[in-house]
Amino acid sequence: GQQLNQSPQSMFIQEGEDVSMNCTSSSIFNTWLWYKQDPGEGPVLLIALYKAGELTSNGRLTAQFGTTRKDSFLNISASIPSDVGIYFCAGRYSGGGADGLTFGKGTHLIIQP
Amino acid sequence: GAVVSQHPSRVICKSGTSVKIECRSLDFQATTMFWYRQFPKQSLMLMATSNEGSKATYEQGVEKDKFLINHASLTLSTLTVTSAHPEDSSFYICSARRPGTFTALHFGNGTRLTVT
Repeated sequence: GQQLNQSPQSMFIQEGEDVSMNCTSSSIFNTWLWYKQDPGEGPVLLIALYKAGELTSNGRLTAQFGTTRKDSFLNISASIPSDVGIYFCAGRYSGGGADGLTFGKGTHLIIQP
Repeated sequence: GAVVSQHPSRVICKSGTSVKIECRSLDFQATTMFWYRQFPKQSLMLMATSNEGSKATYEQGVEKDKFLINHASLTLSTLTVTSAHPEDSSFYICSARRPGTFTALHFGNGTRLTVT
């Protein structure tokens, strides 16, 4: 199947700092999704991107669908303690798996007060 | 609010027993639901697709007789871990997609299974 490279694997930042993470692939995707997972919980959808070049915000979160359709990034501005968690990207491509999605391995965000 | 509900959130069982996990879509009908397994600090691994009114389809390497799936209604899918062993201990998550949408999946809160 298709592979998604998500980076960084983990981030240790100070409260108030901005955060940036991204997902890349050698293949073209036609949809990108960003999820956040808190410990012991299921992933929660943050942002969905459906068009190349699309830039979408959700509060302090901003995500973009890369123009090459092979990448996406997620930015978090002015981080706060509740931003701690694991962030997953997921992409959909033609001929995808049963659930239609390929998941990145996640970015663990740790915030130091 | 949550659109997919999963129950129980935690379960501890003895080796050799069976455990049933429920996944419900709360405000929509889901003809298809998905079951995942997640190991600590790992991504989600798709186990099977639950199809209302027909047999589930399993991913390669997933034992059908070990993980029984029943999609009895348009809002409920169940995963039964049969004859559980300690190596079945994991975090199990279900998901569903709203009708008319083609991509964004909504996940349940997950079930932490511990087999002693």
